[in-house]
Amino acid sequence: EPEVTQTPSHQVTQMGQEVILRCVPISNHLYFYWYRQILGQKVEFLVSFYNNEISEKSEIFDDQFSVERPDGSNFTLKIRSTKLEDSAMYFCAGRTGLISPLHFGNGTRLTVT
Amino acid sequence: AQTVTQSQPEMSVQEAETVTLSCTYDTSESDYYLFWYKQPPSRQMILVIRQEAYKQQNATENRFSVNFQKAAKSFSLKISDSQLGDAAMYFCAYRSAGKNTDKLIFGTGTRLQVFP
Repeated sequence: EPEVTQTPSHQVTQMGQEVILRCVPISNHLYFYWYRQILGQKVEFLVSFYNNEISEKSEIFDDQFSVERPDGSNFTLKIRSTKLEDSAMYFCAGRTGLISPLHFGNGTRLTVT
Repeated sequence: AQTVTQSQPEMSVQEAETVTLSCTYDTSESDYYLFWYKQPPSRQMILVIRQEAYKQQNATENRFSVNFQKAAKSFSLKISDSQLGDAAMYFCAYRSAGKNTDKLIFGTGTRLQVFP
């Protein structure tokens, strides 16, 4: 069965550095999402993306965050200048239609030191 | 704003027994979806079961069933004949059926341990 894949599985970066988290959704997915989970806390919505533009974003998704799907396959989340509080598990997700099930990737654990 | 509450940080069950995980939510909407997701140590969030609010019948998926009480805003998950592979974090989630948003709002999760 096709899966949403995320790379890397773990990334360590220094505060202030830029980081790019990558996701390859299932090929027929049209709607894409990023969620994050700070250790021991709930999973939180960051952003949704459809038709090559952001359709919704949370208050967490400030100017330091951006998303793009440059080549029609990879879906990336960029954090321009990482902060300690950005340390979390970041999950990519996708779906084929608005009422179809959401498929999550395995997540990227981001550690900011 | 909608909220989802899971009041049981941890639960445990013996293999082959039945366990119920609680979830309550708050919303002013009448049409929405509710979900239970499982997050095993492999980290991937896996959809366990889904309920449409307009459906009165409780959803079931093999050993997993829900008790959906719309008036009480309660959505509990029952796992029957528990197996060792059921050990995981379980998250309850809410999604509006409106056109303006399709984000999931998660609870804080319940860690389920299964003992042999």
